[in-house]
Formats: sequence, C-alpha cells, structure tokens
Amino acid sequence: QKEVEQDPGPLSVPEGAIVSLNCTYSNSAFQYFMWYRQYSRKGPELLMYTYSSGNKEDGRFTAQVDKSSKYISLFIRDSQPSDSATYLCAMSERNNDMRFGAGTRLTVKP
Amino acid sequence: DGGITQSPKYLFRKEGQNVTLSCEQNLNHDAMYWYRQDPGQGLRLIYYSQIVNDFQKGDIAEGYSVSREKKESFPLTVTSAQKNPTAFYLCATTKLAGNKDTQYFGPGTRLTVL
Repeated sequence: QKEVEQDPGPLSVPEGAIVSLNCTYSNSAFQYFMWYRQYSRKGPELLMYTYSSGNKEDGRFTAQVDKSSKYISLFIRDSQPSDSATYLCAMSERNNDMRFGAGTRLTVKP
Repeated sequence: DGGITQSPKYLFRKEGQNVTLSCEQNLNHDAMYWYRQDPGQGLRLIYYSQIVNDFQKGDIAEGYSVSREKKESFPLTVTSAQKNPTAFYLCATTKLAGNKDTQYFGPGTRLTVL
C-alpha cells in the first residue's frame, strides 16, 4: 500500500462546476497537509497549506483535513479553464519528509 | 518559481555520461531538496540538505550525487550508474525556522537519455 493514495484521473468538468479532489494516507503521524498545482512542464506551486484537522478557505479553494479518516480534500468552486492542471497532495510529519500523491489531472472545459 | 532557478530547462544525455543539473536559490532558505517526477507517480525524494556541507539520501539516491558548498546552490549529478534517468527533476527549498513553512519548487529540468 502506498503511503499516499491519489486518483490520477483524468478528471474533466465543465466551466463553473465544483471540483472535488481527494487523497488518502496511511501514516497517522502526518500533521502538515498541502495541495500543489502544477501546470504542464512547470514546477508545482503551493496552493493550500493546512496544519492538523479542519478546513481552510482561500478564494474559490477550500482544503479539508479529516485525520480520523486519514482523508484530505480540495474543493474548487466556480471552476475556470485556467484551473486546468495537475493537482498534487502532499503531507509530512515535519518539513523534510514530505510524501506526495501521484497527482490528479484536471481539465475544465469552457 | 520565485527565487529558485533550475538550469538547463531541457537536457539530453547519451548513455554512459554523467550530467549535472543546477539549482540556485536567492530566498535565503536553509534546506534544499531534489525530487524526481515520473508520469503517474508522485514526487520521489533523491537527496536533501539542511545546512551547508551536509546532505542526506532520500528514497531513491542510487545513481545520483549532490554537493552543498554554498547555501544558495545544490547541484545534482546524474551518474551513468542511474539505470533509468529519463525524468522531470525538481529542486525545492524550505526555510527551517518554525514549523509553518513548506517547500517551494523550481521550474524543473527535463532530462532525456538518448
């Protein structure tokens, strides 16, 4: 079993849809949870950062962490074609031991 | 990308050759990391360094070497011992002061073995 599981997709939605991206993990010691967005042939850019359980909202993006279920989610409201990218979840106990999901490729169609 | 520079953007290597990928940062971050990204797989850690003149192996260090002679620079050498080096290589940095920082990535180098 991989330490972090993420459905690679691809996921295709119409513009304006609500997108839900998810990851599960097995290491209960993870306490820092991140979502990165990666455009084609570019480096990942940090989108959301959450410590421990709970929700965090930033504009159209909401990150949720459920440590009891070892499950994290990223919601994108009013999705735009510019949101088309690969979304990577990442998590760690401390800064130098991050574990990444495989990434979900998202396409938002106009 | 911010203050992290990786060069070259594309690199081609013949089998049996060593190549060195450059990573430079002007963020004054303490730690630097090298990851490898392959299609359908998550980022895998090759090496990391938290201070100058010290570095640690990651999950897939075999066939790679690094140095950290300056805080700003963390070059990665892909040696001929790496059996499947074709991949997208990403350098990342983090400021170690406090627990709320996370890793920031450079633009990457795509290495292709001919």
